[in-house]
Amino acid sequence: GESVGLHLPTLSVQEGDNSIINCAYSNSASDYFIWYKQESGKGPQFIIDIRSNMDKRQGQRVTVLLNKTVKHLSLQIAATQPGDSAVYFCAENMGWGKLQFGAGTQVVVTP
Amino acid sequence: ETGVTQSPTHLIKTRGQQVTLRCSSQSGHNTVSWYQQALGQGPQFIFQYYREEENGRGNFPPRFSGLQFPNYSSELNVNALELDDSALYLCASSSLAEEQFFGPGTRLTVL
Repeated sequence: GESVGLHLPTLSVQEGDNSIINCAYSNSASDYFIWYKQESGKGPQFIIDIRSNMDKRQGQRVTVLLNKTVKHLSLQIAATQPGDSAVYFCAENMGWGKLQFGAGTQVVVTP
Repeated sequence: ETGVTQSPTHLIKTRGQQVTLRCSSQSGHNTVSWYQQALGQGPQFIFQYYREEENGRGNFPPRFSGLQFPNYSSELNVNALELDDSALYLCASSSLAEEQFFGPGTRLTVL
């Protein structure tokens, strides 16, 4: 069936460096994607979203890139901070806000 | 904090028992979605309620059922608990098809 998945389970990043988290999706009809951050003991927190009519969207220290040709999504975090340590999920909107999540990437920020 | 609350925080049940989890949605939201998150995995969509009616269901058996009340709070009921039902149960509230706000989850352990 259709699925959303991530390439790397764990990403170790030095404080101050940029982080890149990747996500592959298989449903070519998908038109809306969201990145979430989940800290230990908390629910997922919205970071940024992007629609399929866009290739790039920027937020505060974060950028999402969408490559529809290869069905690939990435989240870039600039100047990674200790507070960025968390699990990051990409999610695909299946319609009416029903989300399909990938497995997640654990980001560990080292001093 | 998102304003979405869930109760209880933690729960321990034995196989075959029944459980009810509760979610209070954020003020102004009329849609509640429930997700199951197994350890080390991404959340999986269970079902969504919009204005007290079920509005879509994921790949979960009928022993997973729910309710939404006139104040848009919601319950998730699971009958005949199985060991594999052990997970973090998340609810998310939104206005239909808009950004979802997640609660902190209920950790269910089935022994």
